[in-house]
Amino acid sequence: DIQMTQSPSSLSASVGDRVTITCRASQGISSYLAWYQQKPGKVPKLLIYGASTLQSGVPSRFSGSGSGTDFTLTISSLQPEDVATYYCQKYNSAPWTFGQGTKVEVK
Amino acid sequence: EVQLVESGGGLVQPGGSLRLSCVASGFTFNTYWMHWVRQAPGEGLVWISRMNSDGTITNYADSVKGRFTISRDNAKNTLYLQMNSLRAEDTAVYYCARGGYITDFWGQGTLVTVSS
Repeated sequence: DIQMTQSPSSLSASVGDRVTITCRASQGISSYLAWYQQKPGKVPKLLIYGASTLQSGVPSRFSGSGSGTDFTLTISSLQPEDVATYYCQKYNSAPWTFGQGTKVEVK
Repeated sequence: EVQLVESGGGLVQPGGSLRLSCVASGFTFNTYWMHWVRQAPGEGLVWISRMNSDGTITNYADSVKGRFTISRDNAKNTLYLQMNSLRAEDTAVYYCARGGYITDFWGQGTLVTVSS
């Protein structure tokens, strides 16, 4: 099975900072990569699919890029409401594996 | 308004069984694939299973294959997860989620605790 590895596991940044999270697949998955945001105590929310397509209603400060094995989620200007754990997920074929998550905090 | 409401969670002894339900509303349930995803306390998301819109195609994670069974009743707008031979490591919040390849809407989840 393809493994999904995120880095870093956690990060702390200031409001307004640019934040980048990386997700690496152990084998190529084309652009079949989604990003989810889970705020503390809340349900996961789809942010990006197809590696770079923003889900409707998601703020434009979020963006995604990559294909094959290496992907990134970028928050262009971190806001207090972006405190959450972010997960990547592959969906080219079963199993629909998630990365281990990246916890984002605000300094 | 799209809604997914899970139920059926609770405390069960190791080796026991439980059936989870997920009632859908606000969308045409019988046209959507559906998933189950779980999250152990303080841990990350783990995909469990997926079923197509008419119930003829299923996929399972290796960790639950042979123990868990996904099913649906489109007449009742309900997705199920039958869980047998439960283990302590199955303790988690179980979410149902709508979607084929990507899951665009999730329920609030139901907590399953496996303990003696």
